Amino acid sequence: AQRVTQPEKLLSVFKGAPVELKCNYSYSGSPELFWYVQYSRQRLQLLLRHISRESIKGFTADLNKGETSFHLKKPFAQEEDSAMYYCALTPSGGYQKVTFGTGTKLQVIP
Amino acid sequence: GAGVSQSPRYKVAKRGQDVALRCDPISGHVSLFWYQQALGQGPEFLTYFQNEAQLDKSGLPSDRFFAERPEGSVSTLKIQRTQQEDSAVYLCASSLTGKNTEAFFGQGTRLTVV
Repeated sequence: AQRVTQPEKLLSVFKGAPVELKCNYSYSGSPELFWYVQYSRQRLQLLLRHISRESIKGFTADLNKGETSFHLKKPFAQEEDSAMYYCALTPSGGYQKVTFGTGTKLQVIP
Repeated sequence: GAGVSQSPRYKVAKRGQDVALRCDPISGHVSLFWYQQALGQGPEFLTYFQNEAQLDKSGLPSDRFFAERPEGSVSTLKIQRTQQEDSAVYLCASSLTGKNTEAFFGQGTRLTVV
């Protein structure tokens, strides 16, 4: 069975401080990992995916297969980063039956 | 339309009542997904359609839940004899093909069973 764990329900950081949202997963095969974001009163949207190896809005995430982690990082938090962040997994090559974590609320304090 | 549209946005149902939730996917999107998101939880997969075919319904919690997409476009999620534990936000998402393509989410329908 596939599972995604986000240990922090709430993460509060000051503006300009580094951010790291933790995500660990369990899956027997080779998964694809994603981060989704939901800003206040907006719909859930894709932030980034590990296969793209891209940086979106200053966020990056590296897949560590040894530690089965996919932590989301940003060097300098901005107020507009405040949102709910969900780590998610889907089997590689399969359709997007996405398994989500429980989410972490990021609060950036001005 | 500009994105995935769900209606109604809010629904209050008395316990035992049947409800129908509608999803209008992005035009041309082959794949459609339904998720259930309980308070404080992440979205949980319910079912998946490829065009009009329901290829996976493993996430439907009971036989009171039924989903259809008869013409491969609009989808309806029906819940019969609603129970309090059905209270959640129901999210619909569509993607162009379903494989390695981004899924776009609707704003959800918040169902409250009283």
